[in-house]
Amino acid sequence: RKEVEQDPGPFNVPEGATVAFNCTYSNSASQSFFWYRQDCRKEPKLLMSVYSSGNEDGRFTAQLNRASQYISLLIRDSKLSDSATYLCKGGANNLFFGTGTRLTVIP
Amino acid sequence: GAVVSQHPSRVICKSGTSVKIECRSLDFQATTMFWYRQFPKQSLMLMATSNEGSKATYEQGVEKDKFLINHASLTLSTLTVTSAHPEDSSFYICSAHGETQYFGPGTRLLVL
Repeated sequence: RKEVEQDPGPFNVPEGATVAFNCTYSNSASQSFFWYRQDCRKEPKLLMSVYSSGNEDGRFTAQLNRASQYISLLIRDSKLSDSATYLCKGGANNLFFGTGTRLTVIP
Repeated sequence: GAVVSQHPSRVICKSGTSVKIECRSLDFQATTMFWYRQFPKQSLMLMATSNEGSKATYEQGVEKDKFLINHASLTLSTLTVTSAHPEDSSFYICSAHGETQYFGPGTRLLVL
């Protein structure tokens, strides 16, 4: 079983929409989780950390549900510039990525 | 912020040759670095953990004799793809742990 699993999408949403991504993780001992953004042919860039208490940064909200072993990322008021692949990271020693979810925001 | 560099950024080589990729932490020391590989439209897959002064730890399914890792200093890890074949063509990304995990810009390898 993979350390971290993620719906690959794609998600095609109109500008202004709210979109949510989830990742599930298999190792209940995992402590740290992160969301990354990856643009085409580039390295992943850290978007935000995920805390049990929830973490909000502008239009982005990340949450961790330890009981159900999943993390989520919510993007409100989607912009065209949000189009990218979003990857969750966690697992043993926080080294494993999910498959990534491709988001396309449509004008 | 902390920066991790990789060289070369892209390389094209003939099948059967070996290719060395360098990963450097530019403003911090990294006792541990990580090598990932990403095929088109797939996620980053951890290949190995590079440990300064000791042998690398490889993930299941990654051939240690094919992907040679050397971490001779606190700022440099190298990945050598030996006897490269077209199926080794991929995007190779290294990362190093400073305050958090910092990623290099990646090396795009094309084996003809």
